[in-house]
Amino acid sequence: GAGVSQSPSNKVTEKGKDVELRCDPISGHTALYWYRQSLGQGLEFLIYFQGNSAPDKSGLPSDRFSAERTGGSVSTLTIQRTQQEDSAVYLCASSSGPSSGNTIYFGEGSWLTVV
Amino acid sequence: DAKTTQPTSMDCAEGRAANLPCNHSTISGNEYVYWYRQIHSQGPQYIIHGLKNNETNEMASLIITEDRKSSTLILPHATLRDTAVYYCIVRVAAGNTGKLIFGQGTTLQVKP
Repeated sequence: GAGVSQSPSNKVTEKGKDVELRCDPISGHTALYWYRQSLGQGLEFLIYFQGNSAPDKSGLPSDRFSAERTGGSVSTLTIQRTQQEDSAVYLCASSSGPSSGNTIYFGEGSWLTVV
Repeated sequence: DAKTTQPTSMDCAEGRAANLPCNHSTISGNEYVYWYRQIHSQGPQYIIHGLKNNETNEMASLIITEDRKSSTLILPHATLRDTAVYYCIVRVAAGNTGKLIFGQGTTLQVKP
């Protein structure tokens, strides 16, 4: 596709349930990022994938959060046993590489509401 | 990581140029300055980036001082649709993750 695609665009889930959020990066992009933005807050880095290298998980807030990237393309962010404080928009981004000169492009996000 | 300082908010009259300043006094020689904007918590939109030279594209111009310690984003003819939060980001160099670290940005309000 032309841009980063995320699904679902909106998700309402009950506290304690698991959720999966999907990201399709721009074709050919080897670097993939997940960010989170709570209401009225700034963007918070979660995790980074680059090719076949070990992911940078330094931003994941707890062990309830995990992510994988299959075949170097699609990525899934999983939140287990969701809590109300997990309510946020989850943003995926991709770039053609990790170099500072490679522009990072964002998707429109997946809005998660935990009730 | 190099950090940036931006004014919290700015106003601009519709049709006039919007000049958004950013200070990044601890920037390293191989780090780029990036600008993004975000409207109503939509995904951040890339605007422009630069290393040393001034840059211009269809959206904006980026003016970087010779010592690289500050920069200015210029929207030449602001419209109401340019109302957004504008983020100035110094991107950490390759060898790290190249990730973007967002601050609080400048809320630009374009007024009729």
